[in-house]
Amino acid sequence: KAGVTQTPRYLIKTRGQQVTLSCSPISGHRSVSWYQQTPGQGLQFLFEYFSETQRNKGNFPGRFSGRQFSNSRSEMNVSTLELGDSALYLCASKDFVSYNSPLHFGNGTRLTVT
Amino acid sequence: AQTVTQSQPEMSVQEAETVTLSCTYDTSESNYYLFWYKQPPSRQMILVIRQEAYKQQNATENRFSVNFQKAAKSFSLKISDSQLGDTAMYFCAFIEGTQGGSEKLVFGKGTKLTVNP
Repeated sequence: KAGVTQTPRYLIKTRGQQVTLSCSPISGHRSVSWYQQTPGQGLQFLFEYFSETQRNKGNFPGRFSGRQFSNSRSEMNVSTLELGDSALYLCASKDFVSYNSPLHFGNGTRLTVT
Repeated sequence: AQTVTQSQPEMSVQEAETVTLSCTYDTSESNYYLFWYKQPPSRQMILVIRQEAYKQQNATENRFSVNFQKAAKSFSLKISDSQLGDTAMYFCAFIEGTQGGSEKLVFGKGTKLTVNP
């Protein structure tokens, strides 16, 4: 099976712009989560989607949003970009609604805001 | 709020030797799960090992094992016979078992491990 695929791998944007990141989960996985990774804050949970519904959301401003499509692919959008949004954004999927099922991560999208 | 603390920002070990990475966590729940993830320079997070809190037996996966001390809320990772490919960031992570399956891992800040030849 193909792994979790995130596109693009690198992105450079200017303050005030918006950006959309894409994630294709492993085939058959219906849960998709997003995490932000920065040197200062580490890995922080953004949100999780299951069957096109957002089930959980982290402590991020409303500029961060996401959605999931019927084929389980997910997108996250950040509007009005700020310098502090520069980070590695990781997407992860899992195949079973169980707490200890492992997350499978993608290689991430490196977003740089200038 | 749940927190995960990794007190060792960086560690190094000689190839073939053993190293232990520390992790402590804070929760009021009794049902939860703990994980160690590895992030090599390729950036992809890879699951190393996982432990259910209700299991007293420490988890083992080949050269990787944990020392789970529930009362002390400690979850350390031992890597035996270290290999150059073990060089990576290691993250300890925690999830409560009461979220209806919703995935919300809480991660520690990570330990950068370097295996020297």
